[in-house]
Amino acid sequence: VQLVESGGGVVQPGRSLRLSCEASGFTFRSSALHWVRQAPGKGLEWVAVISSDAGNKYYADSVKGRFTISRDNYKNTMYLQMNSLKSEDAAVYYCARDHPLAAGTMDYWGQGTLVTVSS
Amino acid sequence: DIVMTQSPDSLAVSLGERATINCKSSQSVLYSSNNKNHLAWYQQKPGQPPKLLIYWASTRESGVPDRFSGSGSGTDFTLTISSLQAEDVAVYYCQQYNSIPPTFGQGTRLEIK
Repeated sequence: VQLVESGGGVVQPGRSLRLSCEASGFTFRSSALHWVRQAPGKGLEWVAVISSDAGNKYYADSVKGRFTISRDNYKNTMYLQMNSLKSEDAAVYYCARDHPLAAGTMDYWGQGTLVTVSS
Repeated sequence: DIVMTQSPDSLAVSLGERATINCKSSQSVLYSSNNKNHLAWYQQKPGQPPKLLIYWASTRESGVPDRFSGSGSGTDFTLTISSLQAEDVAVYYCQQYNSIPPTFGQGTRLEIK
């Protein structure tokens, strides 16, 4: 199983960024997927989850209305569209697979991609 | 949202000794439909993503050494490392997945004394 995030970088407050998570080594279309973030030197914060067929999506209150999670089961890729970025959105963003035996836990994680929000 | 509170915030234990980390949830994470506690533990080493250690409060993830064990029910949980090894130095997080949003504890930093 491998998850590889990309798309991070430096962005000004109020602007947008799209993160990608490319997956391999498992049946992508059968797995729910999460985004979890970690601000520098801080703890883990769950951001969003998308079901295997994209029929269900849930968001943390802190990003609801600004971030959109999506996936392309043909490209084995998940996305996080981040709009109206704030300084408090600066973090390493991890994608993670939902555990097949314990939905809601995350059994495989990517290495993360860093988002910096600064003018 | 369910608030997860870990104690202590940091811990120093001698090699070969037992390390114990506690986690308390603001409401029960015992799901009546399956009688399972929706509580997981993760280990995060510097510069690395988190690694799942335990789910259902006490089920070790595949490949996790048996010196790691989880216990507890309802609102009070414990992660125990029976004999601390140098490679166990890390930050440990508990996480509830009983309700959305899933929430993490603030983390406990484990060091060698």
